[in-house]
Amino acid sequence: ETGVTQSPTHLIKTRGQQVTLRCSSQSGHNTVSWYQQALGQGPQFIFQYYREEENGRGNFPPRFSGLQFPNYSSELNVNALELDDSALYLCASSLAPEGEKLFFGSGTQLSVL
Amino acid sequence: DAKTTQPNSMESNEEEPVHLPCNHSTISGTDYIHWYRQLPSQGPEYVIHGLTSNVNNRMASLAIAEDRKSSTLILHRATLRDAAVYYCILRDSFYGSSNTGKLIFGQGTTLQVKP
Repeated sequence: ETGVTQSPTHLIKTRGQQVTLRCSSQSGHNTVSWYQQALGQGPQFIFQYYREEENGRGNFPPRFSGLQFPNYSSELNVNALELDDSALYLCASSLAPEGEKLFFGSGTQLSVL
Repeated sequence: DAKTTQPNSMESNEEEPVHLPCNHSTISGTDYIHWYRQLPSQGPEYVIHGLTSNVNNRMASLAIAEDRKSSTLILHRATLRDAAVYYCILRDSFYGSSNTGKLIFGQGTTLQVKP
């Protein structure tokens, strides 16, 4: 177990709705990254947060946004949900942006109907 | 972004060694080679990483070719719990790089372990 917790574990939404996913990082870790994993694919980097600011972003549209709080926990927000947003969303924490190891949570499975 | 190439799947017998290959011919001088694995219904788990020299830890060994264009993850005695998808990833170690902290996952190698 990594100490990274995500909530909820499963979520069902309809197209056009908005969703917020939450992540608590491992104790002492100040950096959080979010990944999207479609069925049968490897995870894809969405963005990274360090000291409450976005510190790198993958090829995702602006309707994917995030927040990091002073206690280093984080949220991923997705607006105007599309069917293709159905995926496993993974949060990972590390000691620093260049930290050697990332510690992943078990993810939130989002289904968009 | 530098890419890696891995076989889609491999099989092993329990308690035998497993060698998982990875090709990364476009690796740059500042790229570390990282391995993660993902067990069913879990997030990826760090296994090992290295730059030039071979590395050992309690989980596995990493053998890196002299020209760094390929590497091999070695599980010394496979167990049923080692059945997972194994990802070989190049990670830019240059501090301040826009890629810092970003892992680029490919399809990985699905390892099946037979009892």
